[in-house]
Amino acid sequence: IAGITQAPTSQILAAGRRMTLRCTQDMRHNAMYWYRQDLGLGLRLIHYSNTAGTTGKGEVPDGYSVSRANTDDFPLTLASAVPSQTSVYFCASSDGAGGPDTQYFGPGTRLTVL
Amino acid sequence: GQNIDQPTEMTATEGAIVQINCTYQTSGFNGLFWYQQHAGEAPTFLSYNVLDGLEEKGRFSSFLSRSKGYSYLLLKELQMKDSASYLCAVRDSNYQLIWGAGTKLIIKP
Repeated sequence: IAGITQAPTSQILAAGRRMTLRCTQDMRHNAMYWYRQDLGLGLRLIHYSNTAGTTGKGEVPDGYSVSRANTDDFPLTLASAVPSQTSVYFCASSDGAGGPDTQYFGPGTRLTVL
Repeated sequence: GQNIDQPTEMTATEGAIVQINCTYQTSGFNGLFWYQQHAGEAPTFLSYNVLDGLEEKGRFSSFLSRSKGYSYLLLKELQMKDSASYLCAVRDSNYQLIWGAGTKLIIKP
């Protein structure tokens, strides 16, 4: 593994189903993030984690939950999917130190909720 | 509210120079980022500005004026592979990134 991986690459899901998007990084970054990207809109932060064991809500957290049991993994769960959650989901990480604290992105998961 | 404005789409010719503007209104300022995103791919980091002035990195340069809430990304000697969306993002007082919708740059031969 090099960088950030996400799984699955794409998924079609029936409304009401539960779904977990997986994200793993091997850069030992402290901070991790989940964004959604919709056409015509900027990336919107769903949840974040500044360090293992802590999580926080972003701009659009409703309908999503996260956990951060260890440094490497940051799964995003949709408890009961709705069509408005159709989007491309990106996981990102940063070292959480001072300075730029640049975020690096995974390849994304394209989710369609029918 | 917080707002990042960029043109939706721009067209330029291979070999030319293009300037992509970004204006922002955010609660606090802790740096401005430019990312490149090819269609169907993840955003990749291009540049970071936290002080006023120009940062040059090869064919790409980024400028910041904090007093004007303004930045631009300058791309020189355009190549076909530069066809992509360019995302402007500002880190606010909560240290969260606020993202613009992106500028789709089309390069013509």
